[in-house]
Amino acid sequence: AQSVTQLDSQVPVFEEAPVELRCNYSSSVSVYLFWYVQYPNQGLQLLLKYLSGSTLVKGINGFEAEFNKSQTSFHLRKPSVHISDTAEYFCAVSEGIYNQGGKLIFGQGTELSVKP
Amino acid sequence: DGGITQSPKYLFRKEGQNVTLSCEQNLNHDAMYWYRQDPGQGLRLIYYSQIVNDFQKGDIAEGYSVSREKKESFPLTVTSAQKNPTAFYLCASSIGRGLHDGYTFGSGTRLTVV
Repeated sequence: AQSVTQLDSQVPVFEEAPVELRCNYSSSVSVYLFWYVQYPNQGLQLLLKYLSGSTLVKGINGFEAEFNKSQTSFHLRKPSVHISDTAEYFCAVSEGIYNQGGKLIFGQGTELSVKP
Repeated sequence: DGGITQSPKYLFRKEGQNVTLSCEQNLNHDAMYWYRQDPGQGLRLIYYSQIVNDFQKGDIAEGYSVSREKKESFPLTVTSAQKNPTAFYLCASSIGRGLHDGYTFGSGTRLTVV
């Protein structure tokens, strides 16, 4: 069965520093990969997605992620964070629409805390 | 603007009561999902529906029920059989129809047992 592991539950970082949020998945078939952001008491908003093609994916708010098939990873990066990036970030994987109806499996979340 | 509307935003339930959480979308999406979120546990799938009049149990369906009588609506009932219902509930939808572009989420309903 597929699973998603976010390797850090909390990541504190200073403003304007770079950040990497790590995500590993397990699956024996081709996957679709997603990163979502959640601000307090709100729903999740899509940051970026990998469906196919280039392994470097750019998203909103200056975030990007790289799909590494050999390491089964999809780490999220931003070169310079802002206070407003403070939120919880979720990595998610789907084994595709023909398997299990395209359901997403979510990681446990990483709390990014940006300090001035 | 298209999107998903969840209501109410906050809901209080007494012991032994059933409550229904509303989820409506105007995105013309075929598939809809209900997730439960607890601190430190990520999102856990309760029920999902890929088409009108059909739905499947997720990983934690016990104590919950759903219906999908209209494409736009996917209400979730939290029954008295759910022993620990206090949580944040999220509804989501996706295109379905053999396509996958991720989910669109509602803003959530926070349910508290009093």
